[in-house]
Amino acid sequence: QVQLQESGPGLVKPSQTLSLTCTVSGGSISSGSYYWSWIRQPAGKGLEWIGRIYTSGSTNYNPSLKSRVTISVDTSKNQFSLKLSSVTAADTAVYYCARAGGGSGSSFDYWGQGTLVTVSS
Amino acid sequence: SYVLTQPPSVSVAPGKTARITCGGNNIGSKSVHWYQQKPGQAPVLVIYYDSDRPSGIPERFSGSNSGNTATLTISRVEAGDEADYYCQVWDSSSDHRGVFGGGTKLTVL
Repeated sequence: QVQLQESGPGLVKPSQTLSLTCTVSGGSISSGSYYWSWIRQPAGKGLEWIGRIYTSGSTNYNPSLKSRVTISVDTSKNQFSLKLSSVTAADTAVYYCARAGGGSGSSFDYWGQGTLVTVSS
Repeated sequence: SYVLTQPPSVSVAPGKTARITCGGNNIGSKSVHWYQQKPGQAPVLVIYYDSDRPSGIPERFSGSNSGNTATLTISRVEAGDEADYYCQVWDSSSDHRGVFGGGTKLTVL
């Protein structure tokens, strides 16, 4: 059973960089063909896809966030990470990591429990 | 950019059928996935590739997709089905961006 767990600071100051890590257990992040995504949800609002990284290391980002987002993978630690720069209060949200199959148009079949990140001075 | 439109809320009596729609331009040409999210929990996949059910999801959950509308149908609704539901597609015309609908709050009366 694959499990995903987000970790990182719960509080980030405005203009700084938000950094989160998703640790994958129950399977190797580099085996099979999967996309590993970050998704966020402001309190009381809907889901917003941030971006994804493929097993090979290729990435796709939400155009609305692309200039501020970097997603990377560390296969030795079975982790992938999110960096979001120049954060503002609008970036306050619960951040989820999730897995999607490598096929065209695949669904998110496994999700982390989510971690709340607050942007405040 | 591709937009998915869901009704903010749907209400249904226990035992009845709930239908939650997801509108998008020619959405019938895309694969639609549906997620259930209860308060304080991560989303859970309930329908994938328009109409397939993951293991463990009751047969009461079904999906369809044609034209400009995809629909999640929940038959014999139970109190435990009360949750937010989100549809999701991939927009291959926009750097393969993931797109979620705005979500629908299902209330069981």
